[in-house]
Amino acid sequence: QVQLQESGPGLVKPSQTLSLACTVSGGSINSGSYYWNWVRQPAGKEPEWIGRIYSRGPTNYNPSLKSRVTISLDTSKNQFSLELTSVTAADSAVYYCASSPDYSYYYMDVWGEGTTVTVSS
Amino acid sequence: NFVLTQPHSVSESPGKTVTISCTRSSGSFAGYYVQWFQQRPGSSPTPVIYDDNQRPYGVPDRFSGSIDRSSNSASLTISGLKTEDEADYYCQCYDSTNVVFGGGTKLTVL
Repeated sequence: QVQLQESGPGLVKPSQTLSLACTVSGGSINSGSYYWNWVRQPAGKEPEWIGRIYSRGPTNYNPSLKSRVTISLDTSKNQFSLELTSVTAADSAVYYCASSPDYSYYYMDVWGEGTTVTVSS
Repeated sequence: NFVLTQPHSVSESPGKTVTISCTRSSGSFAGYYVQWFQQRPGSSPTPVIYDDNQRPYGVPDRFSGSIDRSSNSASLTISGLKTEDEADYYCQCYDSTNVVFGGGTKLTVL
């Protein structure tokens, strides 16, 4: 089973771009065996799916965030990344990366421990 | 788009059985599987049910899931409650464009 670890700045200024990476161990990010997801959870609220990427297919985004989000793969580092532009305080949350098996793209079975991002000047 | 509605909180005594509901506001569960996640404070969500009623490896059979298509609702049932089951529980489903989580239910075992 893969293991996931998020990394990136814990503080981002309003209007700037939030950039996070998820390092995958125990499996190849390019194998086609997994979908790679980003999920966020504001304090005291439910998780919100941001989007997913698959090495052998299209990238899918939450329609409410689609205009500001880019998810990409870095096969040289066995990582996938999240970029969220024009952030506001409403984007403050714990950000998780999660994997889904290729036969069940909607089922996020392995999650990272999460990284807290605060948007503030 | 659709919303998944859960009760805000439920409570029950150790050893008893509790059921948490999840109602889909529009569209149908038909063709779209439901997942359930357990989240303890300070921890990541972990799946306890996938594909409506399947348990991931290591999840005890005290956890079960079901779908009632007549009411467009899903349920998570936990029997033989233990104090360690106290947590937030989220249902999750999807459609052709999005993945949606329910608002969560806080389970208190007292």
